[in-house]
Amino acid sequence: DAKTTQPTSMDCAEGRAANLPCNHSTISGNEYVYWYRQIHSQGPQYIIHGLKNNETNEMASLIITEDRKSSTLILPHATLRDTAVYYCIVRALNSGGSNYKLTFGKGTLLTVNP
Amino acid sequence: GAVVSQHPSWVICKSGTSVKIECRSLDFQATTMFWYRQFPKQSLMLMATSNEGSKATYEQGVEKDKFLINHASLTLSTLTVTSAHPEDSSFYICSADSMPTEAFFGQGTRLTVV
Repeated sequence: DAKTTQPTSMDCAEGRAANLPCNHSTISGNEYVYWYRQIHSQGPQYIIHGLKNNETNEMASLIITEDRKSSTLILPHATLRDTAVYYCIVRALNSGGSNYKLTFGKGTLLTVNP
Repeated sequence: GAVVSQHPSWVICKSGTSVKIECRSLDFQATTMFWYRQFPKQSLMLMATSNEGSKATYEQGVEKDKFLINHASLTLSTLTVTSAHPEDSSFYICSADSMPTEAFFGQGTRLTVV
């Protein structure tokens, strides 16, 4: 079972920041927070990941709360092409453990409107 | 980012026949690959973990004799759906770990069994 909870859907206006929340209250100390997105009929696309510090790359920013029980993915200037299902996943990096696998929940359908 | 290629992108086969899907990591070596299945309007469900040079590990409820996985090299894993039936029609997706931290996904294979 997925260890994260996300809203089912969100809307965002084009050009605005999209803030996607994720709760992972049972996250373990060795688990990272990963974000992927899936555009219809395509494989998931990696966005960003982090352990406890906030992270930023060319696609997005990841804000992780100090207690690590929740995080927010920020798309600073959403475009129509950002419409997709966004998945928040927790994963440990030591292979062999059951939490090494990427387990997908239902994700958030983000719709960017013109 | 790293590239994972799946082939074919889509396939239609007759009921009772077998279909092989290839997953290749094009610019990195992957000791571990994962196979997922996704039904319409649902999330990705992990089927099995493919380990180079050893037997795959299947998730509960996935028939290992029906979904044959071979990971013969560090850049190639194959999934063979044997004696396919219409209920096996789905979107099959693979992922490969680009160490140390990122997993990249193939574009997916749409299987239709008629």
